[in-house]
Amino acid sequence: EVQLQQSGAELVKPGASVKLSCKTSGYTFSNYYMSWLKQMPGQNIEWIGNIYGGNGGTGYNQKFKGKATLTVDKSSSTAYMDLSSLTSEDSAVYFCARSGSLDYWGQGVMVTVSS
Amino acid sequence: DIQLTQSPSTLPASLGERVTISCRASQSISNSLNWYQQKPDGTVKRLIYSTSTLESGVPSRFSGSGSGTDYSLSISSLESEDFAMYYCLQYATYPYTFGAGTKLELK
Repeated sequence: EVQLQQSGAELVKPGASVKLSCKTSGYTFSNYYMSWLKQMPGQNIEWIGNIYGGNGGTGYNQKFKGKATLTVDKSSSTAYMDLSSLTSEDSAVYFCARSGSLDYWGQGVMVTVSS
Repeated sequence: DIQLTQSPSTLPASLGERVTISCRASQSISNSLNWYQQKPDGTVKRLIYSTSTLESGVPSRFSGSGSGTDYSLSISSLESEDFAMYYCLQYATYPYTFGAGTKLELK
């Protein structure tokens, strides 16, 4: 069974950074891309970018370049997303989802940016 | 970026009713369209992929159709667990983009 387990909720101060994780199981991690997505409260879902589990190759939505950095650890089948220079506009639920076509999703993690 | 216009934004409906949600793309997306259901707890589930292929385990009352720029999701006979948010996604071109969502609510 494919599973994507995300890390817990984060409360972070403005200007800080946060690293989110997405631990996978049930499939060959290195054969798939992993996408990350953002959903602000009551808002649409936005695609941030994706990363290939095999070699760490990345592609980003232009809107999130400089904000998000995607990495992987093949040894633990885990994908990570670093979010930097956080502001209130970064307060949202963030999902990981297995790519090509986003078939399996993590449960989402709430990031709250507040002083 | 490809824009997806999803309608209606809110859809009041009754149990047993048939409903249809529309998703129109700003350019052809060659059937590279999925439909997702999001429950109030935030859980997201893929229902339909490649326009019309039903995800394993998804009830057959769900169906998808379309081509070119126009796509739709239909639910043939609403059950209580179907009241949720629905989103379309295009993955034909980067960046992937979503429709704004349809809230299916009990009338």
